[in-house]
Amino acid sequence: ILNVEQSPQSLHVQEGDSTNFTCSFPSSNFYALHWYRWETAKSPEALFVMTLNGDEKKKGRISATLNTKEGYSYLYIKGSQPEDSATYLCAFIGGANNLFFGTGTRLTVIP
Amino acid sequence: DAGITQSPRHKVTETGTPVTLRCHQTENHRYMYWYRQDPGHGLRLIHYSYGVKDTDKGEVSDGYSVSRSKTEDFLLTLESATSSQTSVYFCAISGQGLGAFFGQGTRLTVV
Repeated sequence: ILNVEQSPQSLHVQEGDSTNFTCSFPSSNFYALHWYRWETAKSPEALFVMTLNGDEKKKGRISATLNTKEGYSYLYIKGSQPEDSATYLCAFIGGANNLFFGTGTRLTVIP
Repeated sequence: DAGITQSPRHKVTETGTPVTLRCHQTENHRYMYWYRQDPGHGLRLIHYSYGVKDTDKGEVSDGYSVSRSKTEDFLLTLESATSSQTSVYFCAISGQGLGAFFGQGTRLTVV
């Protein structure tokens, strides 16, 4: 069992605030790190696929960084909006291409 | 939407009965996964497949078996359902280097 940890477990922020979450994962046998956004009553949707140490990805107000040597990734949301409320999952992909998910960070943006 | 469907979407079954869930894809992706979602645990990997007839266990495989006789179908079988297998089951597919696409989920209740 791989240890993929996300923190915090849940987070409440005011609309307009910026926020960030952490995903930590094994630094050995790394192949890729994914971020997903999961809205209630829907299926997870991929945000970013990250493979290289130092990778930075951006999609609108959401961005992510990757440090494979120390085994962590950050997801940033700038100027949070109520529609950003969701659970954000990271998934570690090892050499066998199996996806191991963290338990997620549940974000609530308060209008 | 990615071409991935799960069936059935809902099922209620009795303890001790066999149950098979089906995941069907039209994307010709190599990798397919079965997860279960439970409160406090996020998504936990049950089994995955990296090709026709090529499968391997995930972190919570006890009590489950899988089969993949063709690229498009990945079946999850509970040989003798137990109440602890009441959960929401998600199938996912991915191609090399791509984020995963998820099915809509199957809510299984074992009474």
